[in-house]
Amino acid sequence: AQSVTQPDIHITVSEGASLELRCNYSYGATPYLFWYVQSPGQGLQLLLKYFSGDTLVQGIKGFEAEFKRSQSSFNLRKPSVHWSDAAEYFCAVGGPNNAGNMLTFGGGTRLMVKP
Amino acid sequence: GAVVSQHPSRVICKSGTSVKIECRSLDFQATTMFWYRQFPKQSLMLMATSNEGSKATYEQGVEKDKFLINHASLTLSTLTVTSAHPEDSSFYICSAAYSGNTIYFGEGSWLTVV
Repeated sequence: AQSVTQPDIHITVSEGASLELRCNYSYGATPYLFWYVQSPGQGLQLLLKYFSGDTLVQGIKGFEAEFKRSQSSFNLRKPSVHWSDAAEYFCAVGGPNNAGNMLTFGGGTRLMVKP
Repeated sequence: GAVVSQHPSRVICKSGTSVKIECRSLDFQATTMFWYRQFPKQSLMLMATSNEGSKATYEQGVEKDKFLINHASLTLSTLTVTSAHPEDSSFYICSAAYSGNTIYFGEGSWLTVV
């Protein structure tokens, strides 16, 4: 069965500092990996996704993520955090058996940004 | 661009009544949609897969008679919470896949059962 672990429930960073959110997955084949962001009371917005090819994926809002098969990880990074980035971030995994459409989510990481 | 829309965004209903939530794909057809539930401060859990023209596939532990799913057209899936109870209060969100395996989520629907 597929699973996703986000080890950090809360992370606080200063505005302008760099950010890395961790994501580890378990999947029996080549995974489809996603990062979503959710603002309070809102739906999910896709930041980026990985299906194949270049393991460093660029997303919206200056985010990027790197797929490391050997570590079963897909960590999200941003070089300089803005106050508007404060939100909940979810890593998710899907698989080619359902075209990656049915997702398993990690528990989420709540990002807080200090001024 | 492709968008998935949910309605209503917020609904309050009395215990024992039923409430319907709609999920629409705008500008694209979705043969498959997915319904998730998110309890406060928790992650999203897949409830069921909605298939156009056939029965929904429910995840283990989800009561199919309580959470009725109808995928009547290629652009509309509905989730009906029947005989709602306070413990059904949650954030319900749907998703649909657009061309190229890009998954879009609806805005979500907050259900409060009083």
